[in-house]
Amino acid sequence: DADVTQTPRNRITKTGKRIMLECSQTKGHDRMYWYRQDPGLGLQLIYYSFDVKDINKGEISDGYSVSRQAQAKFSLSLESAIPNQTALYFCATSDPLTGGDTQYFGPGTRLTVL
Amino acid sequence: GNSVTQMEGPVTLSEEAFLTINCTYTATGYPSLFWYVQYPGEGLQLLLKATKADDKGSNKGFEATYRKETTSFHLEKGSVQVSDSAVYFCAPWGGGGNKLTFGTGTQLKVEL
Repeated sequence: DADVTQTPRNRITKTGKRIMLECSQTKGHDRMYWYRQDPGLGLQLIYYSFDVKDINKGEISDGYSVSRQAQAKFSLSLESAIPNQTALYFCATSDPLTGGDTQYFGPGTRLTVL
Repeated sequence: GNSVTQMEGPVTLSEEAFLTINCTYTATGYPSLFWYVQYPGEGLQLLLKATKADDKGSNKGFEATYRKETTSFHLEKGSVQVSDSAVYFCAPWGGGGNKLTFGTGTQLKVEL
């Protein structure tokens, strides 16, 4: 089984809808991250969490919110989706006990907002 | 914060050709440096890393050397295979906030 899983893998929705993307991990890592990937722009950090009570905004947090329900779960929400949020979304984890720098990525969620 | 410049792709090579993908960065202090690879339809996975000046990271025949004086971390492989076709991302780590900063990625296509 994969260490970092994301659900759903693909989602098509309409403008204005609320969407939640979920991430679960079995690696036991404290740190979790959400990124979006757009063609030609690399990965941009949306939010990150160093533990259940520590959540931080990344470079592009506007229009997004997150919830860290447990060490193993980190959800990303789009309260009112808009077309320019169409992208590939990745969750990642890292372990501060080994320096926290190496990140482990999930397979991604492809979101299309019509 | 950190920033990264990678050579634009796609880079198209024949099998067994030599590969170089250039990466330069700007950062506060001396960040750890990473190369991640994204195979089609998959998430990113760590390819190699180097944590201090003159360190060489290596994995699967790929190498990159941490060059502090030129702030570079170029990726090389002596003989590429079709299975190396993927997108490669350079990323320094650190510079406040303990985060990775990703380059735009360089797509590599290897043909028979």
